[in-house]
Amino acid sequence: QSALTQPASVSGSPGQSITISCTGTSSDVGGHNSVFWYQQHPGKAPKLMIYDVSNRPSGVSNRFSASKSGNTAFLTISGLQAEDEADYYCSSYSSSSTLVFGGGTKLTVL
Amino acid sequence: QVQLQESGPGLVQPSQTLSLTCTVSGGSISGGAYYWSWIRQHPGKGLEWIGYIYYRGSTYYNPSLKSRVTISVDTSKNQFSLKLSSVTAADTAVYYCASPYKARFDYWGQGSLVTVSS
Repeated sequence: QSALTQPASVSGSPGQSITISCTGTSSDVGGHNSVFWYQQHPGKAPKLMIYDVSNRPSGVSNRFSASKSGNTAFLTISGLQAEDEADYYCSSYSSSSTLVFGGGTKLTVL
Repeated sequence: QVQLQESGPGLVQPSQTLSLTCTVSGGSISGGAYYWSWIRQHPGKGLEWIGYIYYRGSTYYNPSLKSRVTISVDTSKNQFSLKLSSVTAADTAVYYCASPYKARFDYWGQGSLVTVSS
């Protein structure tokens, strides 16, 4: 299984919106609604931000939204804040009951 | 609120077996339809799924690691464990335990750095 493809980095100014893409195949992103997004600050464990393509866990800001089209999932962060600066990872359930992560995207808030 | 804590040696010699344990608190490892997972992160790199176990014992592993990985559960101790055999420097990473579902990880341990070196 190959890692999902994410841009290495994205950036935006405070208050702006950014979108991170996550491209897989019909065996993972395109074939399942089990797509997740995690936020990871340096030295910390990842934090679940989105589950099942577009659902936010309790406590996650509604500035975070997500969707999927075909084999690509998207995470959008609106109203960027300094605290959003982190690494973001997508993941997807895959064939044969396995899981695959994306390579990660570093978000810089300018 | 489920809490997870990894424990184990921080240094493992090449060709040996890496062993880590994750202790679950705030809930029973066999109390629900939960899956218990291991994930690793090489220094400065992304996340890599290692595998998961259902409390009744069924396991699924990353195909790239399958020949070297064993995940087990000890319900009496409320723990689950990871063994990775024949390690090399390429296995140096922070190892996380996570739960509660196959692919959705609401709960994470703080991570345990394991260095493979002689």
